[in-house]
Amino acid sequence: EADIYQTPRYLVIGTGKKITLECSQTMGHDKMYWYQQDPGMELHLIHYSYGVNSTEKGDLSSESTVSRIRTEHFPLTLESARPSHTSQYLCASSSTGLNEKLFFGSGTQLSVL
Amino acid sequence: GEDVEQSLFLSVREGDSSVINCTYTDSSSTYLYWYKQEPGAGLQLLTYIFSNMDMKQDQRLTVLLNKKDKHLSLRIADTQTGDSAIYFCAEGPLRSGYALNFGKGTSLLVTP
Repeated sequence: EADIYQTPRYLVIGTGKKITLECSQTMGHDKMYWYQQDPGMELHLIHYSYGVNSTEKGDLSSESTVSRIRTEHFPLTLESARPSHTSQYLCASSSTGLNEKLFFGSGTQLSVL
Repeated sequence: GEDVEQSLFLSVREGDSSVINCTYTDSSSTYLYWYKQEPGAGLQLLTYIFSNMDMKQDQRLTVLLNKKDKHLSLRIADTQTGDSAIYFCAEGPLRSGYALNFGKGTSLLVTP
């Protein structure tokens, strides 16, 4: 079944740790996105990719980095996590075309202590 | 980017109709979308409308688009407690060429 998966679902870590949030999709989509969602519900685009070896920063400045070595995989890395990084991180993908129907993963809730 | 505006909160009784409103800003947007987010989950595409349409109906959902006023609404008929969620309006594709522009979300509470 075609889908988009995020792991882990929940992550609680200490300050200074390096973490990688995983995102994989089996729909063959070229476009992938990372959104950060604050407790007030608003979504902020932090990274996007139009295909392999393509990554761009989004509207909200983020200390995280991303890579796109394979079409189906778009991991997000924080080299040194801080409490200000505590948030819900949502990964999404879409096919190329005018109709940008985004498909979202279930999200990773990150808490940095 | 420019703002997509939504009211933050709506409360309705079970069985009533819910209407969630949204105003968007990019007149070049080709599609307008409604997404639903249940607690602790990602966003799920509910429905979308092509910008040259003014209405789309899908079971209990009715989307109305007023392109002149850049106003979009989502009507949920016979609202159920399972409809309680956050609803996001989004427009796209944008002149910038990427992603969608999301509103801040409307939290719908359905009371028995």
